Amino acid sequence: DQQVKQNSPSLSVQEGRISILNCDYTNSMFDYFLWYKKYPAEGPTFLISISSIKDKNEDGRFTVFLNKSAKHLSLHIVPSQPGDSAVYFCAASAFGGSEKLVFGKGTKLTVNP
Amino acid sequence: DTGVSQNPRHKITKRGQNVTFRCDPISEHNRLYWYRQTLGQGPEFLTYFQNEAQLEKSRLLSDRFSAERPKGSFSTLEIQRTEQGDSAMYLCASSLRYEQYFGPGTRLTVT
Repeated sequence: DQQVKQNSPSLSVQEGRISILNCDYTNSMFDYFLWYKKYPAEGPTFLISISSIKDKNEDGRFTVFLNKSAKHLSLHIVPSQPGDSAVYFCAASAFGGSEKLVFGKGTKLTVNP
Repeated sequence: DTGVSQNPRHKITKRGQNVTFRCDPISEHNRLYWYRQTLGQGPEFLTYFQNEAQLEKSRLLSDRFSAERPKGSFSTLEIQRTEQGDSAMYLCASSLRYEQYFGPGTRLTVT
């Protein structure tokens, strides 16, 4: 059973526009959520995180929104840049983030110049 | 560079051979994690250490896999009698609090 789902395998946006990546989870014990960015042949790079006590966290061009009732989170990138083209993974953990991460399958973002 | 490092970056081995990977975490991080990633999937948890204690192992970690973290510093992951299904990217991550920081991974190919 997949506890973290990223239902869009790919997303293509124009440079300067907003990119919205979505993630759904099923496990009610998850209380900490993270987004990672991954380039080919490299390890995932941490982008931004959010605790379940918040519904929004912002860091520069990146904002993560959490809707606990819907068990849904999203990552907004504004404005999108060609260098943002990568695979984005949503991850979740229980017990305040000190435990293992459960990842989605990823969404490949392509930002076209 | 003070990030997580992993060695080797690539390993090609024949089925049945043993392989060992090393991970050096960020120095002040007390937690260390191993994950495995195959094509089209997200990383999957294998095991984790807090200091030198191995606190959790996934059911993915068969008896052929063993991990150690002596003295709570670097960690090694050994796979005995490798099988073709072991071909994957093996990722190490470390953390101090909530965010886990990943190394570049070791790509294992079993022929």
